[in-house]
Amino acid sequence: EIVMTQSPATLSVSPGESATLSCRASQSVGSNLAWYQQEPGQAPRLLLHAASARVAGVPARFRGSGSGTEFTLTINSLQSEDFALYYCQQYNDWPRTFGQGTKVEVK
Amino acid sequence: QMQLQESGSGLVKPSQTLSLTCGVSGGSIMTGGYSWTWIRQPPGKGLEWVGCLYLSGTTHYNPSLESRVAISLDRSKNHFSLRLNSVTAADTAVYFCARSYYDNLTGGGRYFDLWGRGTPVTVSS
Repeated sequence: EIVMTQSPATLSVSPGESATLSCRASQSVGSNLAWYQQEPGQAPRLLLHAASARVAGVPARFRGSGSGTEFTLTINSLQSEDFALYYCQQYNDWPRTFGQGTKVEVK
Repeated sequence: QMQLQESGSGLVKPSQTLSLTCGVSGGSIMTGGYSWTWIRQPPGKGLEWVGCLYLSGTTHYNPSLESRVAISLDRSKNHFSLRLNSVTAADTAVYFCARSYYDNLTGGGRYFDLWGRGTPVTVSS
């Protein structure tokens, strides 16, 4: 099983600043990496797939990068609606696995 | 616009079987390119992939659950289902159904592009 490790667990950021979230895979997943955003009490929402491809309707301030085992989600100029939980997920191998999540909170 | 909605028993006794259904509206469950997935989230914890079903009938399950889980599809009712038997308290979670879509950019696997709202299931006597 591919283990996905996200860091940090919690990121405290002021509105308007940038946030950088990391995701590491225990073995290469190529670019088969997705990022999801989850708000309290809601279902996760797909933000990006193929490590860097934004889904329709996702603002350009969300940028994904990386391949292989190291991935980054950068959120520029944080808006109030961006303070949430973020998960990375690999879909290169079975079983599909998620990171444990990074909570982006207001500083 | 396709939508997913989970339904089923919210309270299951230990050792019994958890049964959930995901209703698909706004489109056909048999639409090519899609596969159908269950994911769960224990209280206060992260996401765990349970398993998926392709339209061909092929299934993939999380090895940690494989001996107890089954996912099936009913095209006449436009829904798919999850059965998990011999449940314990560790199976208490919010269960999400999701649609999986083939990633044409990578030529690899499938990401989860549409989710239901989730349904809470508690295992307790």
